[in-house]
Amino acid sequence: GQNIDQPTEMTATEGAIVQINCTYQTSGFNGLFWYQQHAGEAPTFLSYNVLDGLEEKGRFSSFLSRSKGYSYLLLKELQMKDSASYLCAVSYSGAGSYQLTFGKGTKLSVIP
Amino acid sequence: EPEVTQTPSHQVTQMGQEVILRCVPISNHLYFYWYRQILGQKVEFLVSFYNNEISEKSEIFDDQFSVERPDGSNFTLKIRSTKLEDSAMYFCASRGSGTGGRETQYFGPGTRLLVL
Repeated sequence: GQNIDQPTEMTATEGAIVQINCTYQTSGFNGLFWYQQHAGEAPTFLSYNVLDGLEEKGRFSSFLSRSKGYSYLLLKELQMKDSASYLCAVSYSGAGSYQLTFGKGTKLSVIP
Repeated sequence: EPEVTQTPSHQVTQMGQEVILRCVPISNHLYFYWYRQILGQKVEFLVSFYNNEISEKSEIFDDQFSVERPDGSNFTLKIRSTKLEDSAMYFCASRGSGTGGRETQYFGPGTRLLVL
């Protein structure tokens, strides 16, 4: 089975940088996604990594190390609206359906 | 920008009743999914659907659940006899036809189901 671990909660200050880590154990690894989820809303796509290295997209960057089973999401210049849960999800190639297995999410609180 | 839509946004039902949750995936997508999220817990995979048949399902997706694509646009999840523990947010998602994991799954806004 797949076990995806990420911290439960984090707090950071507006304007700062925060790194949210994710570790995973998976067979049939086919990529790792980060989603943002505001309370009561749907997950929205942030980033995707399948090769080792850093993917940058504006204020958000995501890093992957396949050999270590490790990823992180880096959020720069934090804004109050970044307060949300951040979900690490692994794409599993099982029967070719590429369903996602999610971690429990990291609830980020941005404070003034 | 195309998006996944779901109806209803909220559904309250009595235990033992049947419910049907509806989804309209993004029009050129070929893979469809249902996930659920019990309040305060993680998002959990229920079932995937491709080429008019179930391609994979989790242990949660027992005989009380079924999915259907009754026409070219709708994708439905039916729960035959609801239980209290079925109370959750149900998300529909769809992805394009690209091979490999690169194709992103896009989620609908969800249906909040409350079983009394």
